[in-house]
Amino acid sequence: AQSVAQPEDQVNVAEGNPLTVKCTYSVSGNPYLFWYVQYPNRGLQFLLKYITGDNLVKGSYGFEAEFNKSQTSFHLKKPSALVSDSALYFCAVRDGPTGGGNKLTFGTGTQLKVEL
Amino acid sequence: AAGVIQSPRHLIKEKRETATLKCYPIPRHDTVYWYQQGPGQDPQFLISFYEKMQSDKGSIPDRFSAQQFSDYHSELNMSSLELGDSALYFCASSSGLYNEQFFGPGTRLTVL
Repeated sequence: AQSVAQPEDQVNVAEGNPLTVKCTYSVSGNPYLFWYVQYPNRGLQFLLKYITGDNLVKGSYGFEAEFNKSQTSFHLKKPSALVSDSALYFCAVRDGPTGGGNKLTFGTGTQLKVEL
Repeated sequence: AAGVIQSPRHLIKEKRETATLKCYPIPRHDTVYWYQQGPGQDPQFLISFYEKMQSDKGSIPDRFSAQQFSDYHSELNMSSLELGDSALYFCASSSGLYNEQFFGPGTRLTVL
């Protein structure tokens, strides 16, 4: 079974500082990994994905994520946080084609708060 | 760019009533997914369809059913509604089974 853990319910960071939102995963095959952001009363917005290739993935709005197979992690990062980045961030995983199924399994979400 | 369209956006029902949620995927997307997000919770996968056939099934109650039509839109039918069915229901679509899923704005269902 596939699963995702987001160990932090909330992350606080000052505007202009770098931010990291943590995610670890568990899958039986090769992982397909995703980050989504959710603003209040809005749908989930796709940020970036890792399927294969470079371990550093660049996505929307200046976000990037680093895939680390040995640590089974896929942490979301941004060099300089903005107040407008404040939102709920979800990490998600799915097994690759050999794992069967195509559903996303989400983590419990991390609330990011960027303060002036 | 066109996005996933869900209707209605808000729905209020009484217990034991039925509800139908509709989802219109991004043009040329052939795969549709349904997720349920309870208050303060992460989205939980319900069911998905690829080329009008069910492709995966999650924690969907037997009271719920869904299908994908020839124009690729999908409908989630919910019967004998319970208070616990109150949630945000998201539809997502993708091009093929293994590409990123793009989510609609959701339908907020309230069961009284």
